[in-house]
Amino acid sequence: GAVVSQHPSRVICKSGTSVKIECRSLDFQATTMFWYRQFPKQSLMLMATSNEGSKATYEQGVEKDKFLINHASLTLSTLTVTSAHPEDSSFYICSARTSGGPLTRTQYFGPGTRLLVL
Amino acid sequence: DAKTTQPNSMESNEEEPVHLPCNHSTISGTDYIHWYRQLPSQGPEYVIHGLTSNVNNRMASLAIAEDRKSSTLILHRATLRDAAVYYCILSLRGSQGNLIFGKGTKLSVKP
Repeated sequence: GAVVSQHPSRVICKSGTSVKIECRSLDFQATTMFWYRQFPKQSLMLMATSNEGSKATYEQGVEKDKFLINHASLTLSTLTVTSAHPEDSSFYICSARTSGGPLTRTQYFGPGTRLLVL
Repeated sequence: DAKTTQPNSMESNEEEPVHLPCNHSTISGTDYIHWYRQLPSQGPEYVIHGLTSNVNNRMASLAIAEDRKSSTLILHRATLRDAAVYYCILSLRGSQGNLIFGKGTKLSVKP
């Protein structure tokens, strides 16, 4: 399957600072990428859908000014958690969708980024 | 998005087949059925997806009921590395295809 990477894999930061997480599709181009968040012992929650060259679409309840998403190229999307607070500590996972028709296109997920805000 | 219902947990013995059920009684004609699995502290891994016909790949088989209101993921010979949370997800054809994850089934594999 296609490969999606995330960087960093783990980050610890102080409350009030901003953290940027990168998501890259390594061997395919992705016009659409997705950002998820997962709290311990819970399922993944979709935060936003990111389309290359346009503004991200945020799910209800997700603050767009707090979670800044940039999808500047077909292989890179970034999520910036601005003014992070301890309640933002979570496992952030991106996915990238391959092109093609609905029967062939597939979402591939990155390995996740563990964010701990002190 | 239509919802799916899966058992919270299942157990299997190593090298035996595993049938993971999923009910999606409110599925629409344009919904695709996706299966992903997630190991602890990792991102989800794509397993298989289909629309109406049964599907096979190197990882698993997907059996879709004729009325499409249920499906079964089949692991032909479970290994210890198959222990994970398995998610059955519906996505709309022709839409952004957003995947909305439910709670999934936690599969344990005993040696």
